[in-house]
Amino acid sequence: GAVVSQHPSWVICKSGTSVKIECRSLDFQATTMFWYRQFPKQSLMLMATSNEGSKATYEQGVEKDKFLINHASLTLSTLTVTSAHPEDSSFYICSASMGGQGANSPLHFGNGTRLTVT
Amino acid sequence: KNEVEQSPQNLTAQEGEFITINCSYSVGISALHWLQQHPGGGIVSLFMLSSGKKKHGRLIATINIQEKHSSLHITASHPRDSAVYICAVIGAQKLVFGQGTRLTINP
Repeated sequence: GAVVSQHPSWVICKSGTSVKIECRSLDFQATTMFWYRQFPKQSLMLMATSNEGSKATYEQGVEKDKFLINHASLTLSTLTVTSAHPEDSSFYICSASMGGQGANSPLHFGNGTRLTVT
Repeated sequence: KNEVEQSPQNLTAQEGEFITINCSYSVGISALHWLQQHPGGGIVSLFMLSSGKKKHGRLIATINIQEKHSSLHITASHPRDSAVYICAVIGAQKLVFGQGTRLTINP
C-alpha cells in the first residue's frame, strides 16, 4: 500500500529557532500534500494544501511567513516552523494524495511530528 | 455549529460488543472519509465512500447522502480497536474534520 514517511517523529527546540519537518511519499507520486495541526484531545486542523511546483494554499488564520511550505517534487513536501514559540508546540501531521485538492482520492498519512518548543 | 458533527464523543464498551459511531454533516460533499488515530498519533484511512456501504473485515461504513449522515460500525469489538475515530468530508474542495470519537474497548 501507499506509504508516507514523516520525519522527525518528535523534536524539541528552543524559542526563536526554526524547525523543518519532512513528508515523503515513498511508493507513489503525491500530486497534493496536506499539512495539519492537532492540539491535545482535539481533532485535526488543516493548515495548508500544497501542490507540486506551486505555492501552498493556506487556511484562514495560518501565517504563511511563519509556516513555510515547500513542495519541490512529487514525493517531498516540507513544513518549516520559523522563529518557533512555545505556543507552536503541537502535533503536526501530513497526508498525501494522488489526486488534486478536493479530489476523491484516498488519503495516506504520515505518523506525525510532535514539536515541543521550550 | 460545526459542519461535521460526530457522536458520541466518547464511548467505552466491553470486548465483543457491536459499536456504532455516527457522523452528520451540513455541507454538500463529494466524499467522506473514516480515519482511525491510535494513541501514538498515527492516522490510518479506513474508508472513503460517496454512496452506499463498504465493508472491510469487522468494519462497516455506510453513508446516506440524502440524510447527510454516515455511520461506522465495528462488529465483535476488541481492545486493539481502541482509538480515536474521525469522520472527514470533502466539501467545496477542502477537507472538514469532525471532532473525533474516542473509543475504549475493555477486555
